[in-house]
Amino acid sequence: DSGVTQTPKHLITATGQRVTLRCSPRSGDLSVYWYQQSLDQGLQFLIQYYNGEERAKGNILERFSAQQFPDLHSELNLSSLELGDSALYFCASSDLWGTGYTFGSGTRLTVV
Amino acid sequence: GQQVMQIPQYQHVQEGEDFTTYCNSSTTLSNIQWYKQRPGGHPVFLIQLVKSGEVKKQKRLTFQFGEAKKNSSLHITATQTTDVGTYFCAGGSNYKLTFGKGTLLTVNP
Repeated sequence: DSGVTQTPKHLITATGQRVTLRCSPRSGDLSVYWYQQSLDQGLQFLIQYYNGEERAKGNILERFSAQQFPDLHSELNLSSLELGDSALYFCASSDLWGTGYTFGSGTRLTVV
Repeated sequence: GQQVMQIPQYQHVQEGEDFTTYCNSSTTLSNIQWYKQRPGGHPVFLIQLVKSGEVKKQKRLTFQFGEAKKNSSLHITATQTTDVGTYFCAGGSNYKLTFGKGTLLTVNP
């Protein structure tokens, strides 16, 4: 157990649908990051939150959105899903300086 | 935007052989981090290098950060079957880490 909790572990849904992925960071970490991992693209940075505020944005599609709540958990919302959105989605957390991310076990999303 | 290239993409070795993976960034980095992801697992943080020319060791693993802070390497001496996995470098700047695509290491016992 890394200390970062992601739910659900697996998700199968149809094209056009919307899903929400949830992440609870390691105790004491204020930064949360979302990454998408696919076989051909590696680990792609999506977005970062620090203490409830968006801090950095990567290649996140407009169909995707995220937020971090006052209790520091974060949610990644994926809408109008396409087959190409099938991937492993990781949440990670860190301290203020980003020294060593702690990753969750990921959510495997399959869009059919 | 920032790009981090990693080579080789795959490496297969016999147990006991050495292994090296290389990482190059298109821009100067504030730090470089290395992660290991076992098959079916999640990335696990190994180490962070911050200073130009820095060298750090963890048992059989040696990590180097280039003088220009644009490249790095990870060297494993005398690989073991437990070293199997994908090794990622990640370049840090502007509050985000950009990951290389990783080197998948397989070890033949």
